[in-house]
Amino acid sequence: DTGVSQDPRHKITKRGQNVTFRCDPISEHNRLYWYRQTLGQGPEFLTYFQNEAQLEKSRLLSDRFSAERPKGSFSTLEIQRTEQGDSAMYLCASSFEYSGTSNEQFFGPGTRLTVL
Amino acid sequence: ILNVEQSPQSLHVQEGDSTNFTCSFPSSNFYALHWYRWETAKSPEALFVMTLNGDEKKKGRISATLNTKEGYSYLYIKGSQPEDSATYLCASPPGVMDTGFQKLVFGTGTRLLVSP
Repeated sequence: DTGVSQDPRHKITKRGQNVTFRCDPISEHNRLYWYRQTLGQGPEFLTYFQNEAQLEKSRLLSDRFSAERPKGSFSTLEIQRTEQGDSAMYLCASSFEYSGTSNEQFFGPGTRLTVL
Repeated sequence: ILNVEQSPQSLHVQEGDSTNFTCSFPSSNFYALHWYRWETAKSPEALFVMTLNGDEKKKGRISATLNTKEGYSYLYIKGSQPEDSATYLCASPPGVMDTGFQKLVFGTGTRLLVSP
């Protein structure tokens, strides 16, 4: 399967613990995005990379959140000192820089985080 | 700030019924309008990317129209089937000059349930 993959699919953690999620984009895509979806809301943009450069971060991304894409391929999203409000579905998407104005993004299945 | 709105929030129809949903967005500085279908436990699936006023796209029993002058898009499903049950999301880039069209702003989605 050559789609976007995310690992793990589910994560349950206790408040105060650190968690890390991984996203593997479609191999020829050089853009990678992280979104977060909470109950009753649509996905909200967190951050995006073009190759290994992190080009934009949302104000939603507090200091406890950090994302990396060290070799311009897979990406990790780490949340330190998790809080109950971090419970959400974390979605990753990728796209190809030269897809034009449409910038069609392809999504992974998400990681559902539950903070107890 | 771009605000994308969807209605209705949820819809319950019988198999064979035709249905439609609405996505509203600001008509100024429009770049593109994306429709996604998101089934439980799966990745959001791209249905359509629409960029031109008057665009009409079709995929099987699903079609979409776009009116950029008045800022809305309709998604139609003809002869709904139980497998059409999903959340339908629309999204648009904010069109801010420095970030361009890299990120998507999503509506809250329309949850469709089709009963046999």
